[in-house]
Amino acid sequence: KQEVTQIPAALSVPEGENLVLNCSFTDSAIYNLQWFRQDPGKGLTSLLLIQSSQREQTSGRLNASLDKSSGRSTLYIAASQPGDSATYLCAVRPLFNTGGFKTIFGAGTRLFVKA
Amino acid sequence: DGGITQSPKYLFRKEGQNVTLSCEQNLNHDAMYWYRQDPGQGLRLIYYSQIVNDFQKGDIAEGYSVSREKKESFPLTVTSAQKNPTAFYLCASAGTGLLNEQFFGPGTRLTVL
Repeated sequence: KQEVTQIPAALSVPEGENLVLNCSFTDSAIYNLQWFRQDPGKGLTSLLLIQSSQREQTSGRLNASLDKSSGRSTLYIAASQPGDSATYLCAVRPLFNTGGFKTIFGAGTRLFVKA
Repeated sequence: DGGITQSPKYLFRKEGQNVTLSCEQNLNHDAMYWYRQDPGQGLRLIYYSQIVNDFQKGDIAEGYSVSREKKESFPLTVTSAQKNPTAFYLCASAGTGLLNEQFFGPGTRLTVL
């Protein structure tokens, strides 16, 4: 059974730091991996989606990498800003679904960027 | 302006009452999902639908029901059989093409009084 783990659960950094959020998954047979951002009391906003055949995706100050063989993905945030403070969730869509397009989510990393 | 809408934003339920959460999308997506989010936990799948008039139970379907009569709409009913319904409910949709990227609505916070 696919499980997704995100470490650390919470992270506090000063403004301007580059930082890395980690996501690990137990089964390398994945279709894609998606990173989301969630602000308190809000829905999820899609940040980056990496297909299983890709190694990384970039959007602005964000870069996500994927290493299927080791079951890991990282989200790199460059030059962090207070506006980056949010919870970041990783989600994996398994390659073989038992009956639909089911996605497995990690519990998230809560990021706080201090001004 | 494409997207997913959920209503209401806040909902209060008395014990023994059924309540229905609305989810509408204009992204022309075939697949729609309902998730439940509890503090400190990841999202858990309640129900999903890949096509109109078809839906499947997720991991925590007990005490919930859904319908999919239109492509744009996927309402969730929280029944009195759901013993601990206080949570944040999120609706999502996805295309069934190559990307299968999920998009989420703003959520409904349900509180049992």
